[in-house]
Amino acid sequence: KAGVTQTPRYLIKTRGQQVTLSCSPISGHRSVSWYQQTPGQGLQFLFEYFSETQRNKGNFPGRFSGRQFSNSRSEMNVSTLELGDSALYLCASSWTTGGDTGELFFGEGSRLTVL
Amino acid sequence: GENVGLHLPTLSVQEGDNSIINCAYSNSASDYFIWYKQESGKGPQFIIDIRSNMDKRQGQRVTVLLNKTVKHLSLQIAATQPGDSAVYFCAEGGFQKLVFGTGTRLLVSP
Repeated sequence: KAGVTQTPRYLIKTRGQQVTLSCSPISGHRSVSWYQQTPGQGLQFLFEYFSETQRNKGNFPGRFSGRQFSNSRSEMNVSTLELGDSALYLCASSWTTGGDTGELFFGEGSRLTVL
Repeated sequence: GENVGLHLPTLSVQEGDNSIINCAYSNSASDYFIWYKQESGKGPQFIIDIRSNMDKRQGQRVTVLLNKTVKHLSLQIAATQPGDSAVYFCAEGGFQKLVFGTGTRLLVSP
């Protein structure tokens, strides 16, 4: 069974640009979550989607957005990039359908560098 | 790795020793806890989980202990191997999200 796939793995952007990251969950998983990982703040929750609906959102500005498609694939977008957005963005999928988190399966992340 | 360890506590052990990694959690209402391992260049990998109705759970070479009274979680790794070198995170399960601890770097010397 293929794991969680994230693309691109690495990307470099400049301040003010926008970026879109993609995530394909494990087949059969309908919940997709996004996390930001930085050395200073660690792993922080961005948002969670289930059946194309955002069910939960972390404390990030509106520049961070996401969506989920009917095939459970998800994208996240960051607009008007700032230097502080440089991070590893991790996608995780889960079989859970309810409120319980369940075991999250993480992809290898998309490393974003903002210059 | 993804956590460059600027402020990461580090545990250094010899191969074959037992390792104990500790974690304090904040939310007394949390009822689900997970340990993840993150190797350099990779995403976090599930190790073991435990629910609040349990005090201890064992896996292959790993044991998680939960002390709800003091809100403390620990991960014990038996016969630590060089391949166990990684950053270890505890996480509290919440409503559709996990709240991660800051992580501990485990260094295993041959």
